[in-house]
Amino acid sequence: EAGVAQSPRYKIIEKRQSVAFWCNPISGHATLYWYQQILGQGPKLLIQFQNNGVVDDSQLPKDRFSAERLKGVDSTLKIQPAKLEDSAVYLCASSLEGGLETQYFGPGTRLLVL
Amino acid sequence: GEDVEQSLFLSVREGDSSVINCTYTDSSSTYLYWYKQEPGAGLQLLTYIFSNMDMKQDQRLTVLLNKKDKHLSLRIADTQTGDSAIYFCAWGNTPLVFGKGTRLSVIA
Repeated sequence: EAGVAQSPRYKIIEKRQSVAFWCNPISGHATLYWYQQILGQGPKLLIQFQNNGVVDDSQLPKDRFSAERLKGVDSTLKIQPAKLEDSAVYLCASSLEGGLETQYFGPGTRLLVL
Repeated sequence: GEDVEQSLFLSVREGDSSVINCTYTDSSSTYLYWYKQEPGAGLQLLTYIFSNMDMKQDQRLTVLLNKKDKHLSLRIADTQTGDSAIYFCAWGNTPLVFGKGTRLSVIA
């Protein structure tokens, strides 16, 4: 079974530029999560989708971050404009349904904002 | 709210046992998880325990849960160099709340 795929693996941009990350969850997984992991910290949930609907986006900085999962499969996370403090690893995870289901993580996209 | 605390570093010799500790403040969650993160990789689920259990053993891994003290530990028996990684405890139903992680270094 293929795991969660993410691209790109690394991205370097200047502040105020835009950037987008892509995630392909495990086939058949209805729930998709985006996490932000700042260096030296644990992952923090940004947004959770159930199919193509948003379940929780309470910690997403909506003035600059956006995410979509239009067809209930792949998802994109966008930052526009980026700030220095957005430098982090962005992890995508998926689970079969959500709630207490085990989450499976992708390798992450490492973003450096200069 | 929920909070999870972990010690940041642990160094052990190959073949010894490792014990990684985690304390939490919110006891409403059904499960507690241990994840492993190797350099440049995502998080890999190692094991989990139901909140109504005290102990769970899975090969070299032993999870102990002390609900009274709100303390969780992960013991790795016969620690190997391949166990070197960052270990996160995670607590909560939805969303998961992660600790800051414990970096385990195994000395050959």
